[in-house]
Amino acid sequence: QVQVMESGGGVVQSGGSLRLSCTVPRINFSNHGMTWVRQAPGKGLEWVGVISYDGNNRYYADSVRGRFTISKDNSKNTVYLQMNSLRREDTALYYCARLSVPGMRGYLDNWGQGTPVTVSS
Amino acid sequence: DVQMTQSPSSLSASVGDRVTITCRASRDIDIFLNWYQQKPGKAPKVLIYRASSLETGVPSRFSGGGSGTDFFLTITNLQPEDVATYYCQQYDSLPNTFGPGTNVEI
Repeated sequence: QVQVMESGGGVVQSGGSLRLSCTVPRINFSNHGMTWVRQAPGKGLEWVGVISYDGNNRYYADSVRGRFTISKDNSKNTVYLQMNSLRREDTALYYCARLSVPGMRGYLDNWGQGTPVTVSS
Repeated sequence: DVQMTQSPSSLSASVGDRVTITCRASRDIDIFLNWYQQKPGKAPKVLIYRASSLETGVPSRFSGGGSGTDFFLTITNLQPEDVATYYCQQYDSLPNTFGPGTNVEI
């Protein structure tokens, strides 16, 4: 099992910004795509976005496109989720998960424990 | 986007039972379908990938199948530790959408 660790969650006002970080041990990071998934309180899983192993390709859910940006720093074995123009409906537990493949289509083989984000009015 | 549906939304069964959860895609996704298990208060974990491949370390009482638009996850000999919510996810096209989940109770 690969250790995936998210950080950076917290409480932010509507319209504000937050950056989440996700670290994976180096040996298990640079050859894998990474995905962010969120889960609103009491709700199901919502796929947020994905980045390829080299950081050159990204794709976002319609609900966050234009507001969220995923980036990947292989030198720090870290992936980031920059969240701008936050809305109350972005309140959720945010999971970072490693893809089984270098690209953006595969299965999520290792998950973090999640970092909570609360957007207040 | 590909829409995923699951049925039932919840079920209650007894220890030792065989239960089946179905997942349907809004269009043909070949075999690009994963199943995840999420226990209460925990992160999800993959059970089945590519419709029928069992992830390493997952008990053999879990199995999956299907192709195209219709898929299933079967748990034979249901155990107390299988109480969880089960999600399907398609990865034929982006966004890799999840189904709404099926809550399994004992």
